[in-house]
Amino acid sequence: SQTIHQWPATLVQPVGSPLSLECTVEGTSNPNLYWYRQAAGRGLQLLFYSVGIGQISSEVPQNLSASRPQDRQFILSSKKLLLSDSGFYLCAWSVLTGRPNTEAFFGQGTRLTVV
Amino acid sequence: GDSVTQMEGPVTLSEEAFLTINCTYTATGYPSLFWYVQYPGEGLQLLLKATKADDKGSNKGFEATYRKETTSFHLEKGSVQVSDSAVYFCALSARNNNAGNMLTFGGGTRLMVKP
Repeated sequence: SQTIHQWPATLVQPVGSPLSLECTVEGTSNPNLYWYRQAAGRGLQLLFYSVGIGQISSEVPQNLSASRPQDRQFILSSKKLLLSDSGFYLCAWSVLTGRPNTEAFFGQGTRLTVV
Repeated sequence: GDSVTQMEGPVTLSEEAFLTINCTYTATGYPSLFWYVQYPGEGLQLLLKATKADDKGSNKGFEATYRKETTSFHLEKGSVQVSDSAVYFCALSARNNNAGNMLTFGGGTRLMVKP
């Protein structure tokens, strides 16, 4: 069966420090991969998605970047964190089918607090 | 573009009360519709889905019917339990020209069930 791992679960980082969140998927090949952010008391915002190795699309301009160095690995990074980067970050994957009835499967999330 | 609107919370109910969480959407074409649930401190889990008009998704006593004429996908449960306390997200998935299936989420509705 497919599983998705996301770490760390919680992170407290000072303003201006770098960030690296990692997400890996097991049990499937060539998945679509996604990074979402959930700000406190708000809904989910899609940050990045990837349909293949090295292929990253950004949905919103921001202080973050994403990379996909391997088929089932998706990394969210920042060179210098801002206070506004605080939030709950969720990695997700879906099967690459091009069909809209495919659901996404989410990791457990990383709660990032920038202080 | 695609959008999902769901009722703002929190929704506070007593145990065994009837639940309705409204969700309406705007999308081109024929999207698939989903309800996800997020328990405290966790990622999102798929609760149910419907892939075409008049389909009814159901799971764990929750139901939602895909109403194309009213562009709605309201979530209902006949008798809620304390364990149903969570945040519920309505979402749609429409085919992406880049072959990804991105989910568009509503803002989430927090449900609190009191004993």
